[in-house]
Amino acid sequence: SQQGEEDPQALSIQEGENATMNCSYKTSINNLQWYRQNSGRGLVHLILIRSNEREKHSGRLRVTLDTSKKSSSLLITASRAADTASYFCATDSLTQGGSEKLVFGKGTKLTVNP
Amino acid sequence: NAGVMQNPRHLVRRRGQEARLRCSPMKGHSHVYWYRQLPEEGLKFMVYLQKENIIDESGMPKERFSAEFPKEGPSILRIQQVVRGDSAAYFCASSALGNEQFFGPGTRLTVL
Repeated sequence: SQQGEEDPQALSIQEGENATMNCSYKTSINNLQWYRQNSGRGLVHLILIRSNEREKHSGRLRVTLDTSKKSSSLLITASRAADTASYFCATDSLTQGGSEKLVFGKGTKLTVNP
Repeated sequence: NAGVMQNPRHLVRRRGQEARLRCSPMKGHSHVYWYRQLPEEGLKFMVYLQKENIIDESGMPKERFSAEFPKEGPSILRIQQVVRGDSAAYFCASSALGNEQFFGPGTRLTVL
């Protein structure tokens, strides 16, 4: 079954508004990460939150993690047109050797209208 | 410190040809991961390698796909006898043990 499902699938807001994206997952995790991808481009790492953390901030980004509900949210405050992109959450799944492979959801496509 | 490098950035192949995708990890990183992204989808794990070893290939198709990470040089993802369904973006990521994965810009493969 799919790990790391984001919702909504698409979100359209006006510049200056806040954008909230949610991610749910099914199995226990060590870390949850959020990535951003501009159309046709590579992934940019935004923030990593560990399973023993509940909230983390980075600039205009705020990530929460609720391990009891197996969910996370990404909040972008005071959005800008340049925030238009797809946002993915990724959870880790331990492989041999102690390094985690990432399991991605399908992403939330955010459009910020000027 | 250069980031993860991938080349080529765009690759066009006809059905039946071979595709070779290269990934040079960040300096000091000995772990390489390959992911595939189909249009409008998230990334799907394919294979995890350390130098000269395949650690986890649970996401690799059983046929036509292979990966290596030699002692010297970049990691190579090789697709033999490509089909139209192989058209996708292929991303490589690298990490130091247990740390964050850094992604390359991807190779966009188009099979005609």
